[in-house]
Amino acid sequence: KQEVTQIPAALSVPEGENLVLNCSFTDSAIYNLQWFRQDPGKGLTSLLLIQSSQREQTSGRLNASLDKSSGRSTLYIAASQPGDSATYLCAPSGTYKYIFGTGTRLKVLA
Amino acid sequence: KAGVTQTPRYLIKTRGQQVTLSCSPISGHRSVSWYQQTPGQGLQFLFEYFSETQRNKGNFPGRFSGRQFSNSRSEMNVSTLELGDSALYLCASSYFGEPGEQYFGPGTRLTVT
Repeated sequence: KQEVTQIPAALSVPEGENLVLNCSFTDSAIYNLQWFRQDPGKGLTSLLLIQSSQREQTSGRLNASLDKSSGRSTLYIAASQPGDSATYLCAPSGTYKYIFGTGTRLKVLA
Repeated sequence: KAGVTQTPRYLIKTRGQQVTLSCSPISGHRSVSWYQQTPGQGLQFLFEYFSETQRNKGNFPGRFSGRQFSNSRSEMNVSTLELGDSALYLCASSYFGEPGEQYFGPGTRLTVT
């Protein structure tokens, strides 16, 4: 059974800092891994999708890496802004489903 | 292209009643997944449909059911509601569902009193 852990659970940083959010999963037999952000009371917004054959993906100030063999993924946020404040969720995929971590709640202070 | 839409957005029901939630995927997407989100359990997978067939199901009681129509729209039904069913129900669609990249709707907030 896939278990997903995200560390840290919460993070508060001043604006401009570079951040690393960590995700670990127990079953390395995944198809891909997706990172999402969720604003309070809202749905999830897809940030990055990394295929199992890829090592990393980049979109703007975001960079996600995947090490399938060790069951780890990291999301790097460069030059954080107050608008980045949200909960970040990682989700490795199983057979026709994603399993979600509990998320990292990020607050970027102006 | 319009995103994933879910109706209704908010719902208040009484214990013992039943409820039906609807999800319209992004045009062209054939896979629809449903998730339940609660503060205590986080996001939990309910089921996934592709071309009207349920391909995977999470660990939820039989009171939770779903279906998908030929136009890929999906509904989920919860019968005999319990207080613990209060949650945000999220639906996601993807093109192939291998699984492919998932796009989420805004969710339906269900409150059971």
